[in-house]
Amino acid sequence: GQNIDQPTEMTATEGAIVQINCTYQTSGFNGLFWYQQHAGEAPTFLSYNVLDGLEEKGRFSSFLSRSKGYSYLLLKELQMKDSASYLCAVRDSNYQLIWGAGTKLIIKP
Amino acid sequence: DAMVIQNPRYQVTQFGKPVTLSCSQTLNHNVMYWYQQKSSQAPKLLFHYYDKDFNNEADTPDNFQSRRPNTSFCFLDIRSPGLGDAAMYLCATSSEVTGGPADTQYFGPGTRLTVL
Repeated sequence: GQNIDQPTEMTATEGAIVQINCTYQTSGFNGLFWYQQHAGEAPTFLSYNVLDGLEEKGRFSSFLSRSKGYSYLLLKELQMKDSASYLCAVRDSNYQLIWGAGTKLIIKP
Repeated sequence: DAMVIQNPRYQVTQFGKPVTLSCSQTLNHNVMYWYQQKSSQAPKLLFHYYDKDFNNEADTPDNFQSRRPNTSFCFLDIRSPGLGDAAMYLCATSSEVTGGPADTQYFGPGTRLTVL
């Protein structure tokens, strides 16, 4: 079966750096997406990786290793508004988007 | 601003009473999706349209139907809501489904459905 694993919950301190990991086992690979979802709201797109390496976008960066089936989302200079769930999603060889359950990130002052 | 709009934001219905949720988009995207999401779970794809081509997920119950009368609008009909259908319903759009950044899905704000 296809599977995406993310930690259920993480806690970090305002101003710090946090890394949220995502490992996947899918039938093929056609890209990986990270979304942010605040409680009670819809997911919003953060990043897209299809080649190995690091994609940087302001305070957020996303890394991909296709050979390891692994990605991480790196959040720098954490702000209270970054408290949200972060969802990893992988598009497989049939172009189906497989979603992880998300990592709830709690930011403390 | 180009966007995905869902109405209503909150819907309360009674057990067994049909309900329709609506989604519209100004992005002129080819693809529209309907997801069901329950608390602390991954979004679950119910179906999607590529233009007028309807694609139903194998495990989507027959109780859920969809219509896309034109590029901009898509509707989710729940014919006989049960208590287990209480969830957030998310509409999303993308330009394409064939790989690449054009696959990126953009979501509406969601409709939270309560079944009494």
